[in-house]
Amino acid sequence: SQQGEEDPQALSIQEGENATMNCSYKTSINNLQWYRQNSGRGLVHLILIRSNEREKHSGRLRVTLDTSKKSSSLLITASRAADTASYFCATDDTGGFKTIFGAGTRLFVKA
Amino acid sequence: DTGVSQDPRHKITKRGQNVTFRCDPISEHNRLYWYRQTLGQGPEFLTYFQNEAQLEKSRLLSDRFSAERPKGSFSTLEIQRTEQGDSAMYLCASSLTGGMSKTQYFGPGTRLLVL
Repeated sequence: SQQGEEDPQALSIQEGENATMNCSYKTSINNLQWYRQNSGRGLVHLILIRSNEREKHSGRLRVTLDTSKKSSSLLITASRAADTASYFCATDDTGGFKTIFGAGTRLFVKA
Repeated sequence: DTGVSQDPRHKITKRGQNVTFRCDPISEHNRLYWYRQTLGQGPEFLTYFQNEAQLEKSRLLSDRFSAERPKGSFSTLEIQRTEQGDSAMYLCASSLTGGMSKTQYFGPGTRLLVL
């Protein structure tokens, strides 16, 4: 079973708008990561946030982590058509080596 | 650094046949992961190697699945007696040990279709 659950499952916005995706997880974690996957291709790592961090920025990406609520959000500002992809959160639980991905949010940015 | 490579990129086989996939990780990476991804879903963890040791296997990995990493470099994933339900994208990823960071670098995947 997948630990991370992304919300929404799909999101369609206009170019220039901001996109926010949420992820919830179930167990204690060491860190949480966000990945992007373009249609039918491999995943690309976007950003990692450690369990003792609350917010992290990378370019147009902003990630927050609330360990008390076991949730994270990814904000993409000033979206571009090239941001069209599926976005997955992934967690490493403290008990082992397994990385668990959510089902993903499919983002479509209209030019 | 050529990134993670996987071979073949596509494989079509008949039910009951055996298939083997290869993954070449980034050269200095000692961790290697295999995942399976079906349409509309996130990658599902299959197994994990640190160097040549297979340290964790998912319950998804039935007896028909076996993975090896004989010299701690490339890895193979074999599926015996394939079933139509094995049709999926098989992804390999690698990472470095060190600190708390476990960023994984993914290959392009092998897409398997079992007829």
